[in-house]
Amino acid sequence: KAGVTQTPRYLIKTRGQQVTLSCSPISGHRSVSWYQQTPGQGLQFLFEYFSETQRNKGNFPGRFSGRQFSNSRSEMNVSTLELGDSALYLCASSFNRVDYGYTFGSGTRLTVV
Amino acid sequence: QQQVKQSPQSLIVQKGGISIINCAYENTAFDYFPWYQQFPGKGPALLIAIRPDVSEKKEGRFTISFNKSAKQFSLHIMDSQPGDSATYFCAASITGAGSYQLTFGKGTKLSVIP
Repeated sequence: KAGVTQTPRYLIKTRGQQVTLSCSPISGHRSVSWYQQTPGQGLQFLFEYFSETQRNKGNFPGRFSGRQFSNSRSEMNVSTLELGDSALYLCASSFNRVDYGYTFGSGTRLTVV
Repeated sequence: QQQVKQSPQSLIVQKGGISIINCAYENTAFDYFPWYQQFPGKGPALLIAIRPDVSEKKEGRFTISFNKSAKQFSLHIMDSQPGDSATYFCAASITGAGSYQLTFGKGTKLSVIP
């Protein structure tokens, strides 16, 4: 079966720009979560969506936002990019909870210059 | 949710040896403890997970030991192979209503040398 698909795989953006990342979950999965991975901070939770509603949000500034569509696909947006936003952004999908089929995609590598 | 502390940061083990990675947590509400394996260029993949009502869980060469009173859990990789060389993350979560996230340790980079 197809896994979690994240697009694009790589992105280079300039400070001050905005960016949109996309995640297509495993078929049947209704929950989509986003994480930021950096060498210094490790894996940090951004937010989680279920049936188009944000259920949980991590400790990130309002420049980070997301949404989920009726087909469970999700997008995250980062506005006014800063150098510190350079990271691997990972999406994970599950049927509902983290202990039920939680599967990560390969991520989008964002570089801000 | 409070952090999960993982050690060591890096580990070098001879082929055939035992790799041991440790994690400690503070929040006693955590009730689900998975371990993830990540190869370069890939996302983390679930290896094995345990709940606090069990002290040990084994799947093939991978074993989780869990000490509820000490609030610690560890991953043991028996007969380590070069193909096990990857970064390993412990994590924790509260699976009851209202929490749908994993809190990760900082990771351990394992190198298995032939």
